[in-house]
Amino acid sequence: DIVLTQSPALAVSLGQRATISCKTNQNVDYYGNSYMHWYQQKPGQQPKLLIFLASNLASGIPARFSGRGSGTDFTLTIDPVEADDTATYHCQQSRNLPYTFGAGTKLELK
Amino acid sequence: EVKLLESGGGLVQPGGSLRLSCAASGFTFADFYMSWIRQSPGKAPEWLNFIRNKANSYTTEYNPFVKGRFTISRDDTQNVLYLQMNTLRAEDTAIYYCAKHPYNSGYFDYWGQGVMVTVSS
Repeated sequence: DIVLTQSPALAVSLGQRATISCKTNQNVDYYGNSYMHWYQQKPGQQPKLLIFLASNLASGIPARFSGRGSGTDFTLTIDPVEADDTATYHCQQSRNLPYTFGAGTKLELK
Repeated sequence: EVKLLESGGGLVQPGGSLRLSCAASGFTFADFYMSWIRQSPGKAPEWLNFIRNKANSYTTEYNPFVKGRFTISRDDTQNVLYLQMNTLRAEDTAIYYCAKHPYNSGYFDYWGQGVMVTVSS
């Protein structure tokens, strides 16, 4: 299985930039696409798709969210951070079955 | 508006069975692949399985750790997705979500609110 590694937590100030990383133990690129996706999950809620295929913004997601990366290293950036962004952010790969998720990075405000 | 509503969860004894349902609305259910995903408190989500659409012969894929115990199925006439879970273990305790794929892609654009399954004596 492809293992996705995320830092457990990140604290940033309102209005600043948050950069959340996800590293995989195998390349998730294939024929020009990076099969990495990002979700936001607030306590007691289901995950919500933010970014698909590494850098594509999902419908209805504000442009403050962006994603980049390829191969085994990916980042989700939130700029500027707003109070409502406090949540856990999971990455997920679909390069290989079984699909796997990262354990999540909890974004907190300083 | 896309809606996914899971039901059928609850408390079950180890070794028991449970069938979850996911009622879908707001989109043409028959056209889309659907998955079940679970999450234990404080843990990463775990993808369990998915079922393709009729155009792809309703074929299924499973995470190896549930293959043989869990079965995914769908009823396109009723817009319902099912998860039959047998021989349940304490470690199957989790929130179970159904999720929609955008066509044949490997990510999930909509998730249900989830249903709790507790396996305990």
